[in-house]
Amino acid sequence: QVQLKETGPDLVQLTQTLSITCTVSGFSLTTYNVHWVRQPPGKGLEWMGAMWNGGGTDYNSAFKSRLSISRDTSKSQVFLKMNSLQTDDTAKYFCARLEPYYWYFDFWGPGTMVTVSS
Amino acid sequence: DIRMTQSPASLSASLGETVNIECLASEDIYSDLAWYQQKPGKSPQLLIYNANSLQNGVPSRFSGSGSGTQYSLKINSLQSEDVATYFCQQYNNYPLTFGSGTKLEIK
Repeated sequence: QVQLKETGPDLVQLTQTLSITCTVSGFSLTTYNVHWVRQPPGKGLEWMGAMWNGGGTDYNSAFKSRLSISRDTSKSQVFLKMNSLQTDDTAKYFCARLEPYYWYFDFWGPGTMVTVSS
Repeated sequence: DIRMTQSPASLSASLGETVNIECLASEDIYSDLAWYQQKPGKSPQLLIYNANSLQNGVPSRFSGSGSGTQYSLKINSLQSEDVATYFCQQYNNYPLTFGSGTKLEIK
């Protein structure tokens, strides 16, 4: 069955770089698109960026040039890397699969909570 | 960016009641709207897509409606397991944007 799972650090120091891996199963990264969404504690959802099935990427301009998304199709993994972390980057980070014909999310990972510490 | 204004922010209702949650888009999104349910500590789960299509496995007491800029999620016969936060999401244009959420509690 379709599964996504995020793995990453619980704690990252201020101004450092965050790296999170999304490992997927039950579908191919060359067929489906996987996106990243984050949610600060007690707050709403924010779309971060996309890894398209063809290998291209798109980013929310809110993250300027801090964000990078890549993948390793042989390992069924999508990677998020974000630098210059601030305390307001403390959030739960989700990877989610985009429905192939429309742009809503049909499956989500459980998320990984990251705290930025000063 | 398309702004999604969701209301109310919180809602308390009795078991068996009907509740409505609204989402207003800052421009026409042509029914490119999804609703998600998020239970505490869990990831969002898709309920409705294309404004009014029920995702497989979602109980029929959930329904969506709307067009243009105005959309709503209706929950009939409220059950205890419906306690959650509900979000709308537009997918007419990038960046994808979400409503701020409605926290539903049982009275």
